[in-house]
Amino acid sequence: DTEVTQTPKHLVMGMTNKKSLKCEQHMGHRAMYWYKQKAKKPPELMFVYSYEKLSINESVPSRFSPECPNSSLLNLHLHALQPEDSALYLCASSPRTDNYGYTFGSGTRLTVV
Amino acid sequence: GDSVTQMEGPVTLSEEAFLTINCTYTATGYPSLFWYVQYPGEGLQLLLKATKADDKGSNKGFEATYRKETTSFHLEKGSVQVSDSAVYFCALSVVDSSYKLIFGSGTRLLVRP
Repeated sequence: DTEVTQTPKHLVMGMTNKKSLKCEQHMGHRAMYWYKQKAKKPPELMFVYSYEKLSINESVPSRFSPECPNSSLLNLHLHALQPEDSALYLCASSPRTDNYGYTFGSGTRLTVV
Repeated sequence: GDSVTQMEGPVTLSEEAFLTINCTYTATGYPSLFWYVQYPGEGLQLLLKATKADDKGSNKGFEATYRKETTSFHLEKGSVQVSDSAVYFCALSVVDSSYKLIFGSGTRLLVRP
């Protein structure tokens, strides 16, 4: 299995809703990432997990809450989002011990109404 | 800080034309370099990579050579197809505690029949 699987593919949520994005990989990668991509822009790093521990938070607002329950799963919990948070949310993973690039998932397209 | 600069798009070519997308970088360490491709409505796919000077990455007819003397990693393809229409991102990572990917702004390629 050489894929990163993200669910759901599309999500529409209201500003008072709570929802979660899910990411799963079975490649044995020990680093997992959340990126946010606005239209016609490159991805921007949000969080990095290394060996299931949060190692980087790029000053992301607390309405985004990441969680790494085990080495294969990464969640992003969403609460009280704003319309400007609408974007493509990409999960990625990489082997922790080398520098050979990420494997990205296909993303969750989030719309906040 | 570390950064990647890509040529502005969109790049519009006729089928079977030669493609070059320029990419230059600035890095404090010794980076690995990548090209990612994003098709409409999808996540990012790793197209090719190079981890040391003079390495040539290649995949699906695309090539790029890691040029340390000119700090460049230009993407080339001898004969583009309509199916190559996508956004291409140049990226680098430096081996440190973050394994953060730094992206260029992306170049949109449109290939016409």
